[in-house]
Amino acid sequence: SQQGEEDPQALSIQEGENATMNCSYKTSINNLQWYRQNSGRGLVHLILIRSNEREKHSGRLRVTLDTSKKSSSLLITASRAADTASYFCAPSTSGTYKYIFGTGTRLKVLA
Amino acid sequence: GAGVSQSPRYKVTKRGQDVALRCDPISGHVSLYWYRQALGQGPEFLTYFNYEAQQDKSGLPNDRFSAERPEGSISTLTIQRTEQRDSAMYRCASSLGADTQYFGPGTRLTVL
Repeated sequence: SQQGEEDPQALSIQEGENATMNCSYKTSINNLQWYRQNSGRGLVHLILIRSNEREKHSGRLRVTLDTSKKSSSLLITASRAADTASYFCAPSTSGTYKYIFGTGTRLKVLA
Repeated sequence: GAGVSQSPRYKVTKRGQDVALRCDPISGHVSLYWYRQALGQGPEFLTYFNYEAQQDKSGLPNDRFSAERPEGSISTLTIQRTEQRDSAMYRCASSLGADTQYFGPGTRLTVL
């Protein structure tokens, strides 16, 4: 299946540091989305990056996509305690609108 | 409405009963998705629709699970003869085709 696999599974950093999470997938994609989820609550959409894009920014977030390596990364700069959450990537298989989520990266930002 | 809504928010049922979970997508959104999420895991794909057509139901665990979207708007996920292993958060999302998916708050199903 076209599952996004996040790495690392867990990450603990100090407030103010940058956090980088990676996502790998197996086959061609239409696009890839990143989501945040706080403690099992709702899924909040962060960024969608299309297969013909290489980088997108939104505030303190930067997402890159390398289709040759079938990977994406999410960078959170100047992290805050409020960034503590699980982060998921969801690639969509080329030719479909089907998104498959990985198991996520659990980020903990220490104040 | 402003966002995706789901009802009920919480459902407790006894093993063997049927349940129907409802999703009301963002107005105008063509695509509608159902996911199931266990604690500590990512959302697990169940099925999705474009308009009223069910495009992919490969994620439905077995034939006790079914979904419909008869008029291309509201969707219902039905679980027949519920079992304890069906207990989970059921999440719905909608999108304008191959675009950002917006999730609803979910329905927490508990099967006793």
